[in-house]
Amino acid sequence: GAGVSQSPRYKVAKRGQDVALRCDPISGHVSLFWYQQALGQGPEFLTYFQNEAQLDKSGLPSDRFFAERPEGSVSTLKIQRTQQEDSAVYLCASSFSNTGELFFGEGSRLTVL
Amino acid sequence: GQNIDQPTEMTATEGAIVQINCTYQTSGFNGLFWYQQHAGEAPTFLSYNVLDGLEEKGRFSSFLSRSKGYSYLLLKELQMKDSASYLCAFSPRGAGNNRKLIWGLGTSLAVNP
Repeated sequence: GAGVSQSPRYKVAKRGQDVALRCDPISGHVSLFWYQQALGQGPEFLTYFQNEAQLDKSGLPSDRFFAERPEGSVSTLKIQRTQQEDSAVYLCASSFSNTGELFFGEGSRLTVL
Repeated sequence: GQNIDQPTEMTATEGAIVQINCTYQTSGFNGLFWYQQHAGEAPTFLSYNVLDGLEEKGRFSSFLSRSKGYSYLLLKELQMKDSASYLCAFSPRGAGNNRKLIWGLGTSLAVNP
């Protein structure tokens, strides 16, 4: 597609529910990043993929968070047993190379009740 | 440690010039980014400074001084559509990849007629 596509745009979950957020990067982009952005804050790094390899997951806040990119294209961020503090916008970004410009998707806004 | 400081809010008048400052502390970094983010939308890339000095790109210019730990974004001929949050971010050296960015909280710019 023309840009990074994320779905769903909005997700409301009950506490304890599992959620899955999808990111479809720009075709041909090798690098893919997930960020978490709370209201009024800058994005916080979660994890980084180069093709299908998850090279850095140091930003994942707990073992309830899991990300995958099995075929080096589409990525899914899964959050198990959601908590209220997980409420945020989850941004996906991709770039052609490790030094290229980052292109962001519009984000998935998660609200945990 | 590593951190970034930028003003929380700024106000300017349509047609004017505004400078948004960013100071940072780090033991070393690859480059400094500026992103624009409209409310409810994804951040969009504005500039990337690696070397000291001013880089001009149309109405927007970005300046970097590594020795002073300082950058600014200069917006000329302000338009109403420039009302947005402006995020400063740097890529720490030795982070393992160039895009594990450290972000500021953003400066919310309001352009008034």
